[in-house]
Amino acid sequence: NAGVTQTPKFQVLKTGQSMTLQCAQDMNHNSMYWYRQDPGMGLRLIYYSASEGTTDKGEVPNGYNVSRLNKREFSLRLESAAPSQTSVYFCASSGRTYKEQYFGPGTRLTVT
Amino acid sequence: QKEVEQNSGPLSVPEGAIASLNCTYSDRGSQSFFWYRQYSGKSPELIMFIYSNGDKEDGRFTAQLNKASQYVSLLIRDSQPSDSATYLCAPAPSGGSYIPTFGRGTSLIVHP
Repeated sequence: NAGVTQTPKFQVLKTGQSMTLQCAQDMNHNSMYWYRQDPGMGLRLIYYSASEGTTDKGEVPNGYNVSRLNKREFSLRLESAAPSQTSVYFCASSGRTYKEQYFGPGTRLTVT
Repeated sequence: QKEVEQNSGPLSVPEGAIASLNCTYSDRGSQSFFWYRQYSGKSPELIMFIYSNGDKEDGRFTAQLNKASQYVSLLIRDSQPSDSATYLCAPAPSGGSYIPTFGRGTSLIVHP
């Protein structure tokens, strides 16, 4: 049981480049989320998906797009990376009860 | 937007002492709260959930909720160096399927 996995673990991009962060969960959870965490800040919700086929904006969606490919996978795309998007990105999933919430290990992204 | 305020710290306590972490919130509609622990460089993990006024104990951890005064706290008894981490407070969503939006958290340092 791998839980929530994220790839890549580290990435360096140049301004204007694009990339997709991958997230997968094997717990059959309906809900999945993408957060970013900047130094000295809490986690801020970028997008979430309450179920397969649906996605909704969170607190800081600008500059990002998401795809809920199937129940297992939820990807985050940066179309044109900017230095302000330098951050640690966490994917998470949640199940039916409050105890069923898990975060992935994070992706550390640097945009130069 | 449900908001919580936490002192970013760091809060420094000696080993064996009681660490007290506090969180105030602005939305009187918030009914229940999560506490998460995040070790440096790691992802958050859920450690406590409290939904009623008063105390909830789990081992060395006690969560306290005071809805009249709009604060929630986490006490860690017999603090250990392994408790050194950032602690995040968050209101639990009411009826939603999403993990909450977080405050910036309080950094706790337990020194030997």
